[in-house]
Parts: sequence; structure tokens; C-alpha cells
Amino acid sequence: DAGVTQSPTHLIKTRGQHVTLRCSPISGHKSVSWYQQVLGQGPQFIFQYYEKEERGRGNFPDRFSARQFPNYSSELNVNALLLGDSALYLCASSKDGPTTDTQYFGPGTRLTVL
Amino acid sequence: KQEVTQIPAALSVPEGENLVLNCSFTDSAIYNLQWFRQDPGKGLTSLLLIQSSQREQTSGRLNASLDKSSGRSTLYIAASQPGVSATYLCAVDQGGSEKLVFGKGTKLTVNP
Repeated sequence: DAGVTQSPTHLIKTRGQHVTLRCSPISGHKSVSWYQQVLGQGPQFIFQYYEKEERGRGNFPDRFSARQFPNYSSELNVNALLLGDSALYLCASSKDGPTTDTQYFGPGTRLTVL
Repeated sequence: KQEVTQIPAALSVPEGENLVLNCSFTDSAIYNLQWFRQDPGKGLTSLLLIQSSQREQTSGRLNASLDKSSGRSTLYIAASQPGVSATYLCAVDQGGSEKLVFGKGTKLTVNP
């Protein structure tokens, strides 16, 4: 079975631009979570979606938004990029959710904001 | 607010040594604790998940224990080899919410 896939793998943007990151979960997984990982830190929770509904939101500004599609894939959107948004963005999927199931992570998207 | 601490931040050991990585968390109202491995610049690989009702889990050379009441978990790696060099992260759910709270990780280097 294919694992969690994310696209693109790398991205370079300038301040003020907008970015869309994509995630495809493992087949049969209905939950998708997004995390931001800054160098040297553990991942920070951004969003969790289950069956197309937002189930959790972390401490991130409204510039961050996400959605989940009927096929359970997901997009993370970030508007008005800041230098501090440079990070590895990780997507994780599970059958039901983080509190009950093992989380399977994708390879991440490395975002650099100049 | 759940906080997760991992000590030490870095560890360097000779090949063949048994070692223990530590994880502590402040809120014992958790559903589970997970250990992950991360290679440089890569995503996370799930190693073990311990449900809150369990005391330990084993997978190959890895054994993880959980003491929920004291807010501690340990990951035991037997007979370490250079291939296990990576950063090890532990994460717990924030009780009642759908998010995982991660520690900063322990960077492990096994020297041949």
C-alpha cells in the first residue's frame, strides 16, 4: 500500500505570497492532520480533519486554512506568507484520529519564504 | 496545557550499547503516547503506540513503557547499531482534543 503522499516536496516563495500544500492519506484513512515543524523543534499541530469536518485547530493565525475533500485528501493554505512560516509541513493520516490510532506521516513539504 | 519534555536533547553512544530515551508529560489525562523516528529532513516514522491502559509495548529491538500517573515514558533500544541513528520524538494527545503534542526530540548518534 502507498503511504501518505505530499506535494510539492520543496517550495520557495516570497513574503506576502500565498501557498497551497497537498496531502493524500493512506487508502482507507479518513483522518488527516497537519503539523508545522521548525528546525530543531517538534512538530506543532495546525489542523485535524475527519470526514471533511474540522475537528481540531492549533494556535495558528487565520492566514492558515485547510480543507478535506470527499476522497479524504487535504489541502493546507497559507496566505500573506511571513519569513517565520519557513518550515517543514507534515501531513499525517489515520483511520479514526490521533487519540485512538497510530499516526502515519508523509515526507513533508519544505517551505522556504524569502 | 499539555507539555512534553525529552531529555537528553542529544545522545552519542558506541555501537552495541543498550540505551534509554526519556519522555515526560505534564497532563496525565491522555489516551495514548506515540514514539516516532525522524531522519534528517524527512517525515516521521511511527515506532510504537501505547494506549493509556497499557504499561508497555514491544517491537523488535524497541520497548516502550508508560507510567501515566507519573507522566513518564521510556523508549528502550537494545544492542544499538549505526542504522538507528536518528531523532526520536514522543507525542501525547491533549486529553479530549484531536491534536498530538510533541517533545523536541532526542538526537541519537550510534558510533561504529
